[in-house]
Amino acid sequence: DIVMTQSPDSLAVSLGERATINCKSSQSILYNSNNKNFLAWYQQKPGQPPKLLIYWASTRESGVPDRFSGNESGTDFTLTISSLQAEDVAVYYCHQYYSLPRTFGQGTKLEIK
Amino acid sequence: QLHLQESGPGLVKPSETLSLTCTVSGGSISSASYYWGWIRQPPGKGLEWIGSIYYTGSTSYYHSLQSRVTISVDTSNNQFSLKLSSVTAADTAVYYCARLLATGEGGGYGDYWGQGTLVTVSS
Repeated sequence: DIVMTQSPDSLAVSLGERATINCKSSQSILYNSNNKNFLAWYQQKPGQPPKLLIYWASTRESGVPDRFSGNESGTDFTLTISSLQAEDVAVYYCHQYYSLPRTFGQGTKLEIK
Repeated sequence: QLHLQESGPGLVKPSETLSLTCTVSGGSISSASYYWGWIRQPPGKGLEWIGSIYYTGSTSYYHSLQSRVTISVDTSNNQFSLKLSSVTAADTAVYYCARLLATGEGGGYGDYWGQGTLVTVSS
């Protein structure tokens, strides 16, 4: 199984500041034929299902604010919130859909400092 | 707007079978562009992929659950279902159904999710 490891487990950032969440896959999740990383990011608020933010490592889902961005470098991935808003308080998960079984990171809890 | 809704008992006894159905509205479950999946989340913990199904009936399961899991599809009623047998307290979780983009066998990222249903395993 591909292990997805997120860091940090929790993060406190001031409103308006940048928040960065990291995710590392235990092996490559790059599909050579289309040069895409099979990596998604989700946001989950208490009592709600996960919400898709980013797919293909860096493609923003329709309707997601442009302060959310995804980056990739080898097996290292980052989710960046450029200017934290109060409504961004949530748990964030990375997810690989390259191989079976699909696996998720353990989650990163983002709070306001 | 696509909508997914999980339904089924919220309480299941140990050693019995957990059965859930996901009803899809606002779109066809027979679309070639999507798989349909089940993901669970134990209370206070992270997400675990259980398995998925294509409208043709082709399934993929998490290997650690494979001996206990069955996912089926009912295209005439636009539903798909999960059965998990021989449950224990470790199977207590919120169970989500989701639409998964057909990025490859088993489906990819989930763009639409149900609200989730809590299933508690207890006598």
